[in-house]
Amino acid sequence: DQQVKQNSPSLSVQEGRISILNCDYTNSMFDYFLWYKKYPAEGPTFLISISSIKDKNEDGRFTVFLNKSAKHLSLHIVPSQPGDSAVYFCAATPGAGSYQLTFGKGTKLSVIP
Amino acid sequence: DAGVIQSPRHEVTEMGQEVTLRCKPISGHDYLFWYRQTMMQGLELLVYFNNKAVMDDSGMPKDRFSAKMPNASFSTLKIQPSEPRDSAVYFCASSLVGYNSPLHFGNGTRLTVT
Repeated sequence: DQQVKQNSPSLSVQEGRISILNCDYTNSMFDYFLWYKKYPAEGPTFLISISSIKDKNEDGRFTVFLNKSAKHLSLHIVPSQPGDSAVYFCAATPGAGSYQLTFGKGTKLSVIP
Repeated sequence: DAGVIQSPRHEVTEMGQEVTLRCKPISGHDYLFWYRQTMMQGLELLVYFNNKAVMDDSGMPKDRFSAKMPNASFSTLKIQPSEPRDSAVYFCASSLVGYNSPLHFGNGTRLTVT
């Protein structure tokens, strides 16, 4: 039973355009969400997070949107750059002292120059 | 800051052999996590420590896996005996106190059991 789902295994976007990566979750106890980025042969690195008390968090070119009623979050990258090509993982935690991060299976983003 | 350091980067072993994976967390981080990544399951939490004590090992097959953290700067994940289904990339991660502190991952150990 996958509690965090990234339904698109891959996504291709032209350089300079917007990349939108989606994530759905089923556990209503999740209240903190994170995105990690992973290059080949490296570990995931933290990108951006959002608490359930917010519906948007922005950091430079990266914005995460949270729709609690739909149990859906998305990561927007604007403008996309070739260096953004990587696998992006969505993760969620119930918070309240829980360190149980549940990860999605990832979406491979390719930004085409 | 050197980040989380894992060794070895690659390990190839035969079924039935003992395998030991090593991890040095970031200095000052109180939490240490072992994750396993496979194509089928994605990233799964095996075990995590807080101040060297095991907090949750419910994701770890206990008949063959064992995890230890003898001091604040070193942890091991041991598999004995290893099986082909253990083939995966094993990541160690550490974080500061606070449930919303991001995890800092090492570069992983790619384990192949033949």
